[in-house]
Amino acid sequence: GAVVSQHPSRVICKSGTSVKIECRSLDFQATTMFWYRQFPKQSLMLMATSNEGSKATYEQGVEKDKFLINHASLTLSTLTVTSAHPEDSSFYICSASSTGNSPLHFGNGTRLTVT
Amino acid sequence: AQSVTQPDIHITVSEGASLELRCNYSYGATPYLFWYVQSPGQGLQLLLKYFSGDTLVQGIKGFEAEFKRSQSSFNLRKPSVHWSDAAEYFCAARNAGGTSYGKLTFGQGTILTVHP
Repeated sequence: GAVVSQHPSRVICKSGTSVKIECRSLDFQATTMFWYRQFPKQSLMLMATSNEGSKATYEQGVEKDKFLINHASLTLSTLTVTSAHPEDSSFYICSASSTGNSPLHFGNGTRLTVT
Repeated sequence: AQSVTQPDIHITVSEGASLELRCNYSYGATPYLFWYVQSPGQGLQLLLKYFSGDTLVQGIKGFEAEFKRSQSSFNLRKPSVHWSDAAEYFCAARNAGGTSYGKLTFGQGTILTVHP
């Protein structure tokens, strides 16, 4: 079945630094990928929609300058958390779909801890 | 506003017992519906989905779900729970068709604990 690989699985960084998270579709092409954020004991909230070759679409309340998304190819999207702060500590999950009606396949997530 | 509600935050069952996890949705039109399972620190795995047609949907790992339009519900069931089913379960929905296929709205999640 379709596989989405997300890397790294865990990252600890100091406040003020930037962190890049990669999301790859391993056996299918994904023109669109999605980035979700999950706070402890809460549900997933969509942050942004990553479109190959164009700018990402951000959900209301998500700072596009803080959460930089690049979708350079049909199999790779990256999320960069810039100037990270402790409140950015969270579980970030990417997802992708091969076609419009295909269900989303999720990566295993990245646990970000900002100290 | 579109929403998905899972009324039960935490459910505990004994191994071998039957299971039903509730999910209700509020959408302008019947959405596409999904159930995902998440193990601790992991991503989400799709259990099953409903787009149209037969309202009883079979999924992986012995799970099934029934779509009831009159009740705006999509409850997940399993006849006999195994200890390995302990995880968090998310119901999700999205608008049918169109280009917003990835904009899933998730319920709050239900944590399932299985006692031996």
